[in-house]
Amino acid sequence: EPEVTQTPSHQVTQMGQEVILRCVPISNHLYFYWYRQILGQKVEFLVSFYNNEISEKSEIFDDQFSVERPDGSNFTLKIRSTKLEDSAMYFCASKGGQETQYFGPGTRLLVL
Amino acid sequence: QQQVKQSPQSLIVQKGGIPIINCAYENTAFDYFPWYQQFPGKGPALLIAIRPDVSEKKEGRFTISFNKSAKQFSLHIMDSQPGDSATYFCAASKLPSNTGKLIFGQGTTLQVKP
Repeated sequence: EPEVTQTPSHQVTQMGQEVILRCVPISNHLYFYWYRQILGQKVEFLVSFYNNEISEKSEIFDDQFSVERPDGSNFTLKIRSTKLEDSAMYFCASKGGQETQYFGPGTRLLVL
Repeated sequence: QQQVKQSPQSLIVQKGGIPIINCAYENTAFDYFPWYQQFPGKGPALLIAIRPDVSEKKEGRFTISFNKSAKQFSLHIMDSQPGDSATYFCAASKLPSNTGKLIFGQGTTLQVKP
């Protein structure tokens, strides 16, 4: 069964450093998402991407964040200058023409 | 308007019991209501979902009850098993749209005791 994959599974970085989180969505899916989950809290929407552009972003997704689909298969989330409060689990999700969003296993980001 | 409120925060039942998790939403434009199951260290996985044109949907041991007028929906797990111990999230979305972003509830940690 096709699945969403994410790398790395864990990332530790120093405050102020740039990180890139990578995702490979399910092939032939058209809609791509990033969500985050701070430890013990609910899953929060960050950004959606469709037709090679951002279709919606949340208040969390400020100028420090960017997304890219560089090669037709990968979908990346870049945080330019990480803050302590960026520590969270980041989930990538993708959706085809149906309703269901399929989530990846997540990348646990720890900012020190 | 965008919030989805979920209760209880945690739930403990004996094997065979029927845990019930409740969610309420505000935005009447929402028209897709999924439930996701999450095990520790894993991503959320779709369990069951409902559209507002039906009041109930059953898949195996999992049932969603939907009350459109009250803007509430709930998940029932029949004959619960220890393997059902996980965190459950309700969510809501507006379809169709170019986003279809999911708005999640706060989550319910379920423990099913053997």
